[in-house]
Amino acid sequence: EVQLVESGGGLVQPGGSLRLSCAASGFTFSSYSMNWVRQAPGKGLEWVSYISSSSSTIYYADSVKGRFTISRDNAKNSLYLQMNSLRAEDTAVYYCARRGLVGEIDYWGQGTLVTVSS
Amino acid sequence: SYELTQPLSVSVALGQTARITCGGNNIGSKNVHWYQQKPGQAPVLVIYRDSNRPSGIPERFSGSNSGNTATLTISRAQAGDEADYYCQVWDSSTGGVFGGGTKLTVL
Repeated sequence: EVQLVESGGGLVQPGGSLRLSCAASGFTFSSYSMNWVRQAPGKGLEWVSYISSSSSTIYYADSVKGRFTISRDNAKNSLYLQMNSLRAEDTAVYYCARRGLVGEIDYWGQGTLVTVSS
Repeated sequence: SYELTQPLSVSVALGQTARITCGGNNIGSKNVHWYQQKPGQAPVLVIYRDSNRPSGIPERFSGSNSGNTATLTISRAQAGDEADYYCQVWDSSTGGVFGGGTKLTVL
């Protein structure tokens, strides 16, 4: 059974940093590209970042470019999102999400809440 | 940047057919995927690559994509289909793109 379990969310002050982790199991993690997707309270889904299976290709949404860094450790079956210079508008549930063969997101974690507030 | 436009809300009578649209420039040339999200839950993939259903998704869910509009169709709507629905594409210059979401109400 595919499982994606996020951790690392919490309350942080504006301008602060946070590192999210996603532990993957139930599939060959090193064979799949991964994404982070977020959802602000009461709002829609927003794609945040993508990393290919070998980390050779990385994309970011304009809203986080230069502040967030996606990475992965295939030996540890783990995906990460380093978030710096956090703003109130980064407050959201962050989902770890596996990319399928044709660009779909076929599996989602349950999400971790990040709250940016003083 | 590439944008997807969805209606904010769609209503359907119990047992009837609901259609949720997703508009985008020449979206017919892209693979469109659809997700269902119920309150407090993570999204679930219901249609991938325009019209394909993942295992476990009822045949009542179908999709089409042509020109500037993709459509998710839910036949014989049930109370359990009430949810937010999102379309999504992958754009080579923008990355992942989601529509704004449509709230489906079953009357």
